[in-house]
Amino acid sequence: EVQLVESGGGLVQPGGSLRLSCAASGFTFSTYWMSWVRQAPGKGLEWVANIKHDGSEKYYVDSVKGRFTMSRDNAKNSLYLQMSTLRAEDTAVYYCARLGDYADFDYWGQGSLVIVSS
Amino acid sequence: QSALTQPASVSGSPGQSITISCTGTSSDVGGYNYVSWYQQYPGKAPKLMIYEVSNRPSGVSNRFSGSKSGNTASLTISGLQAEDEADYYCSSYTTTSTYVVFGGGTKLTVL
Repeated sequence: EVQLVESGGGLVQPGGSLRLSCAASGFTFSTYWMSWVRQAPGKGLEWVANIKHDGSEKYYVDSVKGRFTMSRDNAKNSLYLQMSTLRAEDTAVYYCARLGDYADFDYWGQGSLVIVSS
Repeated sequence: QSALTQPASVSGSPGQSITISCTGTSSDVGGYNYVSWYQQYPGKAPKLMIYEVSNRPSGVSNRFSGSKSGNTASLTISGLQAEDEADYYCSSYTTTSTYVVFGGGTKLTVL
């Protein structure tokens, strides 16, 4: 059974940093692209970033470029999102998701809430 | 404002069929067959219901079907059941700087 479990969310002040983690199991993690998708409270879904199976390629939505860094450790079956210079508009539930072959997200974690507020 | 346009809400009675539309442009929905649909219950993670316009993942009921015409994709749910009451989001690959764009979501109410 595919499982994705996020951790690391919480309350952070504007301008601060936070690191999200996602532990993967139930599939061969090292052979899949992975993604982060976020959802602001009461709002819709927004794609944040993708990373290739070996970590050699990464893509980000314009609003987080230069502030967020996605990485992975295939030996630990883990995905990370390092977030810095956080803004109020980054407040959201962050989901880690497995990227399918057709730009679809075929499995999702339960989400990790990040609140940026003073 | 979301890149793909969905109706904010739709409703139907048990047993009926409903269709949710998702309108984009030739840079996303109209240009590629990479349209997906997700179901989301309040407080829960989204679940993939349709991928590549009309394909269902294993385990998804055949009451859910997808289609596309031009720049508009559609999700049809037949034989509505109370458990179908949820939010539904469409998404599409896009050639803009954003890899995938989502619709704003549609709240389905089963009367």
